[in-house]
Amino acid sequence: GAVVSQHPSRVICKSGTSVKIECRSLDFQATTMFWYRQFPKKSLMLMATSNEGSKATYEQGVEKDKFLINHASLTLSTLTVTSAHPEDSSFYICSARVQGATYDTEAFFGQGTRLTVV
Amino acid sequence: AQKVTQAQTEISVVEKEDVTLDCVYETRDTTYYLFWYKQPPSGELVFLIRRNSFDEQNEISGRYSWNFQKSTSSFNFTITASQVVDSAVYFCALIRYNFNKFYFGSGTKLNVKP
Repeated sequence: GAVVSQHPSRVICKSGTSVKIECRSLDFQATTMFWYRQFPKKSLMLMATSNEGSKATYEQGVEKDKFLINHASLTLSTLTVTSAHPEDSSFYICSARVQGATYDTEAFFGQGTRLTVV
Repeated sequence: AQKVTQAQTEISVVEKEDVTLDCVYETRDTTYYLFWYKQPPSGELVFLIRRNSFDEQNEISGRYSWNFQKSTSSFNFTITASQVVDSAVYFCALIRYNFNKFYFGSGTKLNVKP
């Protein structure tokens, strides 16, 4: 099946610095990628929808300037957590749909990135 | 509004026992899709099944089976003869037709003890 690769899998950063997380579709083109956040022992919450070549669509309550999303190509979307703080520590996971897929097809998820801000 | 409820936070069973994970959903849409995903300790989400709202046939795949009942808005997942490798968090999710957003339940952590 399709593979989505997310990098890094773990990152520890100092408070105030920025962290970039990459999400790549390895064997298919994805015009749309999604970024989720998962708090410990909680469900996944959609943060934003990343569209290739256009601005991301953010869910209500998600700070656009805090979580910068760039989808520069059909196989790569990046999430940058700017000026990270300890409360940004979480598990971030991306997903992608095959280009042209209908809504009932599965989304492929990356391995996730565990961010710890110290 | 859409909502997915997984009332069982954590379940512990002994290997070879059968276990059912409950999922109840809310939506006013007539067309929607239901999913189950497995999240092992490593974190990635593993796709298990997708079901559209017009297909109420139950499905069996090896030791896994799913019972979709629109009358009770439930999409339950049963593992037969559980194994230690089944230990993970399982998420039920819903997508509305023509939308991309997953609505995930809170997940059920399954512990299968040897």
